[in-house]
Amino acid sequence: KAGVTQTPRYLIKTRGQQVTLSCSPISGHRSVSWYQQTPGQGLQFLFEYFSETQRNKGNFPGRFSGRQFSNSRSEMNVSTLELGDSALYLCASSPLAGSQETQYFGPGTRLLVL
Amino acid sequence: GDSVTQMEGPVTLSEEAFLTINCTYTATGYPSLFWYVQYPGEGLQLLLKATKADDKGSNKGFEATYRKETTSFHLEKGSVQVSDSAVYFCALRGGGATNKLIFGTGTLLAVQP
Repeated sequence: KAGVTQTPRYLIKTRGQQVTLSCSPISGHRSVSWYQQTPGQGLQFLFEYFSETQRNKGNFPGRFSGRQFSNSRSEMNVSTLELGDSALYLCASSPLAGSQETQYFGPGTRLLVL
Repeated sequence: GDSVTQMEGPVTLSEEAFLTINCTYTATGYPSLFWYVQYPGEGLQLLLKATKADDKGSNKGFEATYRKETTSFHLEKGSVQVSDSAVYFCALRGGGATNKLIFGTGTLLAVQP
């Protein structure tokens, strides 16, 4: 079974631009979560989707948004990019939400904002 | 709110040494606890987990026991290898209908031959 895939793997943007990152969960998984990883703040939860509904949201500004499609694929969007948005963005999937299922992480998208 | 505290790194050990990475947590209710590992340039891999008090998670020679009385989930391995060099994250997932993970700051382990 293929793992969680994230595209693109690397991205360079300039301040003020917007960016869309994509995550394809493991086949059959309906829950997708997103995390931001930076050297200063560590791993921080962004949002969680289950069956196209946002179930939970972390403490990030409204510039960060996401969605999930009927095939469980998810996208996150960051508008008006700031230098501090440079990070590794990780996506994780699991079969269900709030269960004891294991979450499987993708390799991440490394975003650099110049 | 819920939080995870883990020991600062880096931890530098010689091959075949004993490893302990401390992790303590604060949570309401009955969280599930996890150790994830991150190799350079990669995402996170689940190393082991425990979902209730006194459970012991184990995998690839690593072990951790969920201690509710001390709110701890320390990671141990009897004999580390160079290939164990990575960053280790302790995490918790609270109760309820959420998969949200709260992570510790990570501990870099460097094993020298």
